[in-house]
Amino acid sequence: AQSVSQHNHHVILSEAASLELGCNYSYGGTVNLFWYVQYPGQHLQLLLKYFSGDPLVKGIKGFEAEFIKSKFSFNLRKPSVQWSDTAEYFCAVNAWGDSSYKLIFGSGTRLLVRP
Amino acid sequence: NAGVTQTPKFQVLKTGQSMTLQCAQDMNHEYMSWYRQDPGMGLRLIHYSVGAGITDQGEVPNGYNVSRSTTEDFPLRLLSAAPSQTSVYFCASSYRDMSTDTQYFGPGTRLTVL
Repeated sequence: AQSVSQHNHHVILSEAASLELGCNYSYGGTVNLFWYVQYPGQHLQLLLKYFSGDPLVKGIKGFEAEFIKSKFSFNLRKPSVQWSDTAEYFCAVNAWGDSSYKLIFGSGTRLLVRP
Repeated sequence: NAGVTQTPKFQVLKTGQSMTLQCAQDMNHEYMSWYRQDPGMGLRLIHYSVGAGITDQGEVPNGYNVSRSTTEDFPLRLLSAAPSQTSVYFCASSYRDMSTDTQYFGPGTRLTVL
């Protein structure tokens, strides 16, 4: 069965620090990859997604993620975080061939940005 | 558009009670799904539907039933609540296949089973 690992469960940064959140998945075939974000008291919303093409994907609010197939990774990055980036971030993977309708989510990373 | 709406926002049940969590969307999305969110475990898919009249099981379907009689509504039923079902429940919808299309999530229902 596919799985998604987010190794950093809690991250605390100061404003203007750089961010990298790790996401690794276990599946050897073609995948679609997503990052969702949940701001305090708000719905989950899509941050960015990768299906094919350029492995460096740019999303909303200055976030980007890089798909490295050889490492089964899809890490999320932001050069300079803001206090408003405080949220929980979820990586999600869809594995082709194992029901195209299902997304597998990671356990999430809580980011706290100190002003 | 209201997007995806869920009711109630909070619910406390006693073990063995039944209830239905409501989910509705006004975006004419074909695909709808239910997830539960538990600390340290992320979101896990309970059931999903690819259109009216069609439902299927996700990762953790036991103890839950669903039906999809209309495009707009996708209720989740707990037949006999158990403490292990204490969780936050999210409904989501997407226009196309959730594997490629953006999912829109509802605000969630926080359920406590005593």
